This record gives sequence, C-alpha cells and structure tokens, in this order.
Amino acid sequence: AQTVTQSQPEMSVQEAETVTLSCTYDTSESNYYLFWYKQPPSRQMILVIRQEAYKQQNATENRFSVNFQKAAKSFSLKISDSQLGDTAMYFCAFMKKNSGGYQKVTFGTGTKLQVIP
Amino acid sequence: EPEVTQTPSHQVTQMGQEVILRCVPISNHLYFYWYRQILGQKVEFLVSFYNNEISEKSEIFDDQFSVERPDGSNFTLKIRSTKLEDSAMYFCASRSGDTQYFGPGTRLTVL
Repeated sequence: AQTVTQSQPEMSVQEAETVTLSCTYDTSESNYYLFWYKQPPSRQMILVIRQEAYKQQNATENRFSVNFQKAAKSFSLKISDSQLGDTAMYFCAFMKKNSGGYQKVTFGTGTKLQVIP
Repeated sequence: EPEVTQTPSHQVTQMGQEVILRCVPISNHLYFYWYRQILGQKVEFLVSFYNNEISEKSEIFDDQFSVERPDGSNFTLKIRSTKLEDSAMYFCASRSGDTQYFGPGTRLTVL
C-alpha cells in the first residue's frame, strides 16, 4: 500500500515571498504520478501541478514548481511570489499507474498555508 | 474549460435516511470516483467505477453505499441509511489520461 506523509500541518509566508511545502511518500511501485492539490476555504479540490515518476525533469506551472527526488521519495512544492489567493490547504497525492486504469489517489494529511499581507 | 459538477452543494439529513449525491463528470471521461473528507481529516478513497461497474472499493464502502451511472451523464452515490459518522464532504472525480479532476464537493450533514 502507498502512504503519503506531509510533516508540516501549518505554514505561513509573507506575500511575495517563496515557500516550500514538503511531502514524502512510500511505495514499491516504479511507475506512478504525484500531484499537489489545493483546497481553498471553498473546499473545492484544485489541481496545482503533477509529476510523472519516470520523468526526471521537475514539473513547473507558472509560480509553482516541484522538487522531485525519486530515490529519496520526496516531492516538495515551491510557491514563488506568494499571493493572498494562495492561502489554502495543500494536499500531496499519489496515484500508481497500472494497465487496468483503475488508479485511486492516495492523499496526505495536508499542509495549511497562510499567506500574510 | 469542462468541470466536474456536483449537486447539492450542501445536504442535511436525519440519521437513518437515504441520501443520493449527484455528480456530472467531464463528458469524455470514462473513469469515475468518489472520495470523502471528514472535517479536519484527509481525503479518503471510497470507490472507483468504470464500464458500468465498480472496479475498486475501500473498506469504508460497505453495503450501505452504492453507486450508479443511471444515464450517460450522471454518476450517483447513494447512502441507504445514514449514520452520524457519514457527515463529511463528498468529492466526485473523473479521470482522463492520468489526472483526476475533482468536483466542488457535497457537504453532507447527518443530524
């Protein structure tokens, strides 16, 4: 079974600064996907960024980037130029890839990020 | 941009009553999922659905739960006899390729 661990329950960052959220995971799979989802107070789950395990290059999406260390099973999210709208709960998530296509997503416990004006 | 939609946004029910939560997945997606999030806890997988049948379910998804795709667009989760501990946010998701897209959730409150 897969597990996803987020060791930072809460973090804060000043507006316009950079913050890094940590995530580690455990799996015996070699082919999988990792995601960061954002959940603002509205509680809708929004995809921020995804990373395919077989790709060495770290994914980037505008102000969001990841540091994917496959050997260490680490997948951190860096938010640059933080904005007030980034205030949300951030979930790290894992999905294994198999031929059946029935992959479920396993979530971490989340990191609550507060952007301070 | 296509989105997963869910109705209602908030459902209040009495313990023991049946509820049906509705989802409209993104139109060309073939894989559908339900997750729940009890307040303050992490999101948990309930069930996945493909080709009109359940492909995987968690231990949470007991006989009180059922899913159905009654027509070409809706995907429903039924809880037959709600318990207090069923109070949670329920998320529907649909998948294209290797990414699941989540709906805005239905907040279920069981009194």
